Amino acid sequence: QKEVEQDPGPLSVPEGAIVSLNCTYSNSAFQYFMWYRQYSRKGPELLMYTYSSGNKEDGRFTAQVDKSSKYISLFIRDSQPSDSATYLCAMGGSGANSKLTFGKGITLSVRP
Amino acid sequence: EPEVTQTPSHQVTQMGQEVILRCVPISNHLYFYWYRQILGQKVEFLVSFYNNEISEKSEIFDDQFSVERPDGSNFTLKIRSTKLEDSAMYFCASGLSSYNEQFFGPGTRLTVL
Repeated sequence: QKEVEQDPGPLSVPEGAIVSLNCTYSNSAFQYFMWYRQYSRKGPELLMYTYSSGNKEDGRFTAQVDKSSKYISLFIRDSQPSDSATYLCAMGGSGANSKLTFGKGITLSVRP
Repeated sequence: EPEVTQTPSHQVTQMGQEVILRCVPISNHLYFYWYRQILGQKVEFLVSFYNNEISEKSEIFDDQFSVERPDGSNFTLKIRSTKLEDSAMYFCASGLSSYNEQFFGPGTRLTVL
């Protein structure tokens, strides 16, 4: 089993739709969870950071972490064409294990 | 807003040559990282650096790779003898602590011919 698995894409939705992006993981040492947005040949841009289980909301974005199920989600409300990008989940431990382990990414296209 | 910067944006080199990729992390950050992304693949961890020493490295980070923080602002990745398979985007990242957010630079695209 891969350490981090992300739903395969690509995903295409109409403007205004609610988008749900998901990742599962196998390593229970992961303590913090992030979602990044990446445009082609650019660096990952941090969208959301969550430490341990729970929900976090920032504008149209909501991140959920369920450590008991080893499952994280990113919801995008009222999606816009400008949200079209690749979304990466990433997770890490702490201390000496602070490296991030990434999912493969899912490419989202929001149609006007 | 502070950001991580990287130079050059694109580096083309011949196989066997040495390259140095440069990064300026966010100024008050203490943890520094290098990741790479081969075209079409996932972002992979290479090395983490804290308190002037390597804290963790991956299997990819073999003897051909080294990192250095030569002064208070720069963080460099050196590849001693490049191979074709080193062609990738290389990202520098920095974080305030070991469990805080990691902020990534725009990347250096390395092409080995």
